[in-house]
Amino acid sequence: EVQLLESGGGLVQPGGSLRLSCAASGFTFSAYAVSWVRQAPGKGLEWVSAISGSGGSTNYLNSVEGRFTISRDNSKNTVFLQMNSLRAEDTAVYFCARHGGQKLVSWFDPWGQGTLVTVSS
Amino acid sequence: QSALTQPASVSGSPGQSITISCTGTSSDVGNYNLVSWYQQHPGRAPQLMIYEVNKRPSGVSYRFSGSKSGNTASLTISGLQAEDEADYYCCSYAGSSTFYVFGTGTKVTVL
Repeated sequence: EVQLLESGGGLVQPGGSLRLSCAASGFTFSAYAVSWVRQAPGKGLEWVSAISGSGGSTNYLNSVEGRFTISRDNSKNTVFLQMNSLRAEDTAVYFCARHGGQKLVSWFDPWGQGTLVTVSS
Repeated sequence: QSALTQPASVSGSPGQSITISCTGTSSDVGNYNLVSWYQQHPGRAPQLMIYEVNKRPSGVSYRFSGSKSGNTASLTISGLQAEDEADYYCCSYAGSSTFYVFGTGTKVTVL
């Protein structure tokens, strides 16, 4: 069974940092791109970042570029999202989602259950 | 890049058909056949229902179908069932600078 499991969320002060992890199982991990998508409380979905299967290509939402870094360790079947200089508006549930293939341009299936990030003093 | 526009809510009686629209621009929906649709029940992760405008993943009911005309994509749910009550989001590829844009979301209510 294909599964994605996020971890690393929590409460952090504005300006602080957090590292999210997305552990995958049930498929050939390096053959698929992965994205992070977030959902602020009571709001809609917002794509945040994507990384190709090899890790050689990445892309970011404009408002997080320079603050967030996506990476992956294919030997550990894990994708990471390093989040620095966090702002109140980054508060959201962060989902990781597998793409339909190795390329960054695709659809998202399946999704993990999400991890909550709260940025507040 | 603004979110794609969806109606806030759509409702229907069991057995009826409903259609959810997703309006973008010539930079996203109108320029790429890369529209996907997601169903999200409260407190749950989104689930893929349609990809590449009108393709249905294995395991998704035939009652769900997708289409596109110009800058507007649509999701139709036929034979509405109680379990279809959820939030639905469209998503489109929007080019190499913006990448992906989601819709504003539509709450489907089964009367």
